[in-house]
Amino acid sequence: SAVISQKPSRDICQRGTSLTIQCQVDSQVTMMFWYRQQPGQSLTLIATANQGSEATYESGFVIDKFPISRPNLTFSTLTVSNMSPEDSSIYLCSVRDSVTEAFFGQGTRLTVV
Amino acid sequence: GIQVEQSPPDLILQEGANSTLRCNFSDSVNNLQWFHQNPWGQLINLFYIPSGTKQNGRLSATTVATERYSLLYISSSQTTDSGVYFCAVISSYNFNKFYFGSGTKLNVKP
Repeated sequence: SAVISQKPSRDICQRGTSLTIQCQVDSQVTMMFWYRQQPGQSLTLIATANQGSEATYESGFVIDKFPISRPNLTFSTLTVSNMSPEDSSIYLCSVRDSVTEAFFGQGTRLTVV
Repeated sequence: GIQVEQSPPDLILQEGANSTLRCNFSDSVNNLQWFHQNPWGQLINLFYIPSGTKQNGRLSATTVATERYSLLYISSSQTTDSGVYFCAVISSYNFNKFYFGSGTKLNVKP
């Protein structure tokens, strides 16, 4: 199983600012993903983080708002840009290899005031 | 994409009771997982179960892929079992995306 360290675990941010969330995995993994979970809702996929190339975004999510980096097979960052209160959510990093078991980081609970 | 439906949406149990959570999915899958989300938001892996039956302590799960459903059994429930249980699947036709159900919110009362 993969061990994922996600930082920060929580933050309170002012509207209009940006927050970068880090995801570090203890082993090389093929696929890394970023999810958003709005209050009381299920998880929604933001994007697939591709190593060495631009991330693949889901419908409704754009690179200018959620820039993602993945410099290697064990690390990725998600930035939430120009935040508004509607961005208050839990953001989760996830990893897996193809169709095998997926693992999640502990999540980042973001509150925008 | 695949539709994933979980039932019931909410469940209240007295400590010590048993329960069954259900996950229906609309198409062929290569991966099915059950997760428990604790009150701090962390997703805990319970079972990786694309088919068959598995048991882990008081929890067990069964997936009948041909009939497109999975069941999660919780026996002798404890207050620490409270939280939200999610089912998630990967389509046999698109390995990239993990489709989540809407979850079952469980509250176990002492």
